[in-house]
Amino acid sequence: QAVVTQEPSLTVSPGGTVTLTCGSSTGAVTSGHYPYWFQQKPGQAPKTLIYDIINKHSWTPARFSGSLLGGKAALTLSGAQPEDEAEYYCLLSYSDDWVFGGGTKLTVL
Amino acid sequence: EVQLVESGGGLVQPGGSLRLSCAASGFTFKNSRMHWVRQGPGKGLVWVSRINGDGTTTSYADSVKGRFTISRDNAKNTLYLQMNSLRVEDTAVFFCVVQLRGVVYWGQGTLATVSS
Repeated sequence: QAVVTQEPSLTVSPGGTVTLTCGSSTGAVTSGHYPYWFQQKPGQAPKTLIYDIINKHSWTPARFSGSLLGGKAALTLSGAQPEDEAEYYCLLSYSDDWVFGGGTKLTVL
Repeated sequence: EVQLVESGGGLVQPGGSLRLSCAASGFTFKNSRMHWVRQGPGKGLVWVSRINGDGTTTSYADSVKGRFTISRDNAKNTLYLQMNSLRVEDTAVFFCVVQLRGVVYWGQGTLATVSS
């Protein structure tokens, strides 16, 4: 099965901008992988932030955006808030099977 | 409102079995592909298995193939995961997950602990 890679940890200053990435061991991430981004806070279930590369759910703050960047899926946070400190997971689909990235622990400091 | 409520977790010895259930509501269950995802203590999310709407097609992660079986009862709007030959490394919170019109919805999870 494929391996999906994410940065293990990143730090952003309050009000700053940070980009998390999601790569695939099989090559470039494309729309055919239907990239997802989830946010998970301690003790909570994950919550969908972004689906199909760029689409947001009704509860997704406007400061989050998704894209494809350099062969990877990317999640950009512009104007970080203290409440954005969390673990972020990407998900890629491979012929209807799912593979999660290892997660990025985002610190707002 | 989409609701997924897992149950059936607990403490079991290595080599034992557990059957997890997920009661679904708020969407057309029989038409929806369902997944199980697990998360070990302090670890990341790991996809476990999926099943299509009528239960005829299933798929498993290599780590559980031959030990876990996913199934569903569309009359009861319920998803199941039968877990046999459990190992210590199977200890995790198991989430029931559905993808609807692109959005992924999660239950709150049920904890399965494998320990002697």
